[in-house]
Amino acid sequence: GQNIDQPTEMTATEGAIVQINCTYQTSGFNGLFWYQQHAGEAPTFLSYNVLDGLEEKGRFSSFLSRSKGYSYLLLKELQMKDSASYLCAVRGGAYNTDKLIFGTGTRLQVFP
Amino acid sequence: DGGITQSPKYLFRKEGQNVTLSCEQNLNHDAMYWYRQDPGQGLRLIYYSQIVNDFQKGDIAEGYSVSREKKESFPLTVTSAQKNPTAFYLCASSTRTRGRPYYNEQFFGPGTRLTVL
Repeated sequence: GQNIDQPTEMTATEGAIVQINCTYQTSGFNGLFWYQQHAGEAPTFLSYNVLDGLEEKGRFSSFLSRSKGYSYLLLKELQMKDSASYLCAVRGGAYNTDKLIFGTGTRLQVFP
Repeated sequence: DGGITQSPKYLFRKEGQNVTLSCEQNLNHDAMYWYRQDPGQGLRLIYYSQIVNDFQKGDIAEGYSVSREKKESFPLTVTSAQKNPTAFYLCASSTRTRGRPYYNEQFFGPGTRLTVL
């Protein structure tokens, strides 16, 4: 079956570093996405990994290990505005479709 | 400005009534998608369309219908057959690439929160 697991909630302190993990089991794999979603708003794209390794984009980095079915999102120098849900999504199935399978999201709370 | 619009932001309907949610994009994206989001659950795909006049069922299509008569528009109708229609509905779009990975990331609209009374 198709399954994506990520922690339900995490807390961290302003200025700290936090790592949000995501494990997946899907019938196909054509990339993994991380999205940020503030309460009541639309998800916004953060990162995309299709090859193993680390992708860095400012304060945010994302890592992928396809052999382990594992990814993490690393947030550095946390700010209060980073309090949001972080959604892990895998593009699975046939290579020429764009069906995403989403995890339930990790709600991150940043405290002063 | 380019983007995806969904209207209205909040929608109330009586049980048994059909309701249509609007989704328009001016990004010239080929593919469009409808998701449903419920508390404690991930986004679930209702329908998607990769090209005009063609669409495919997602994982939870029962009780919903769509059309794709124009590239810019992908309206979703929530019918009375949908047993639990109260939810946050998100529309998204993406553009094709020439080769792999075939599609770029999906961009999301602001969502419509539907409440059935």
